[in-house]
Amino acid sequence: DAGVIQSPRHEVTEMGQEVTLRCKPISGHDYLFWYRQTMMRGLELLIYFNNNVPIDDSGMPEDRFSAKMPNASFSTLKIQPSEPRDSAVYFCASSLGGRNQPQHFGDGTRLSIL
Amino acid sequence: SQQGEEDPQALSIQEGENATMNCSYKTSINNLQWYRQNSGRGLVHLILIRSNEREKHSGRLRVTLDTSKKSSSLLITASRAADTASYFCATDRTDKLIFGTGTRLQVFP
Repeated sequence: DAGVIQSPRHEVTEMGQEVTLRCKPISGHDYLFWYRQTMMRGLELLIYFNNNVPIDDSGMPEDRFSAKMPNASFSTLKIQPSEPRDSAVYFCASSLGGRNQPQHFGDGTRLSIL
Repeated sequence: SQQGEEDPQALSIQEGENATMNCSYKTSINNLQWYRQNSGRGLVHLILIRSNEREKHSGRLRVTLDTSKKSSSLLITASRAADTASYFCATDRTDKLIFGTGTRLQVFP
């Protein structure tokens, strides 16, 4: 079975550019989560969706961050404009049947903003 | 804020030895989960233990939960070099999982 698929795996861009991260959850999963991982702050939940609807975006750091889930098989996390402090590894995860059920993670996007 | 705190932060052992990692948390929980993260990869779910359970096993993994002390431990028996990874506990609050800071385990051949 295919797991959670994220793209790109690596992204290097200059400050001020728009960045779009993509995620395909496991088919049939009804929850989707976006996390950010840094050495300083660990793993932080940014936003999660249930049945394509955003439920909690309180972890989104600023208005420069936005996330969408237009259908059950695709989600995007966008940063516009990007800043060097946004450099981190961004993970997408999905789960079935509850926000506190086991989550399946993609391998992440390593984002570097120069 | 962090709900779970793992201890130790780092652990180095020889193959064949047992590895024990601990997790402490602050508020009441419904369940506690353990995850593994290999370098450059996403987290992988290992085991879930509910608040009314005291111990759970999965292969070489043994997890205990003491809700009175708000703590859990993960024991990996007969460790292998392939167990080298970071291990995280995650506790549920009302609406989300909160991950701890992780224990980095290094198993030397």
